[in-house]
Amino acid sequence: NAGVTQTPKFRVLKTGQSMTLLCAQDMNHEYMYWYRQDPGMGLRLIHYSVGEGTTAKGEVPDGYNVSRLKKQNFLLGLESAAPSQTSVYFCASKPIAGGKDYEQYFGPGTRLTVT
Amino acid sequence: RKEVEQDPGPFNVPEGATVAFNCTYSNSASQSFFWYRQDCRKEPKLLMSVYSSGNEDGRFTAQLNRASQYISLLIRDSKLSDSATYLCVVNEGTGGFKTIFGAGTRLFVKA
Repeated sequence: NAGVTQTPKFRVLKTGQSMTLLCAQDMNHEYMYWYRQDPGMGLRLIHYSVGEGTTAKGEVPDGYNVSRLKKQNFLLGLESAAPSQTSVYFCASKPIAGGKDYEQYFGPGTRLTVT
Repeated sequence: RKEVEQDPGPFNVPEGATVAFNCTYSNSASQSFFWYRQDCRKEPKLLMSVYSSGNEDGRFTAQLNRASQYISLLIRDSKLSDSATYLCVVNEGTGGFKTIFGAGTRLFVKA
């Protein structure tokens, strides 16, 4: 199993450009998440999904959109990139079963710089 | 007040030392707790879950104190390979919608 993969690994954008980050998981997990991580701060949740076709806002959703058309994929879009969106973006997934709380499995991250 | 607080460190310890990290959380209704490890420029990975009765995994021991709302991680006989950032993670619901990550504690183990 590849686990959680993210595409691309690195990207440099100019202010105002748009892009889509792709997250894919092959573990048949129901839940998927997008986080951003900035120096000195914990991971902050951007958006999450509890299943195919459903998405919800997290702590810092402004400037981002998401879609989960297939269970295994979770896309994060930046419509008009801003320098404040320079960050490392992590995708994660998590299974659900019998009410037990499992850990999240993370992708390797996407390093995005907006100039 | 941050929802999950950790001492950012860094903790600089020699090989073989014992080191302990604490983490406090603000929501008394929090339901599950974890320690993750994050190496430089890598993704976080689960180190261990934290159970109410405390639990041990080799050189690592985790404790939970619900009354005082803190969790701890003890590392015995530190190895060079233990150098990393340790993230305290709190779930405020079994759905995992409200997962709060601490900013992490950096550990450097030196020969």
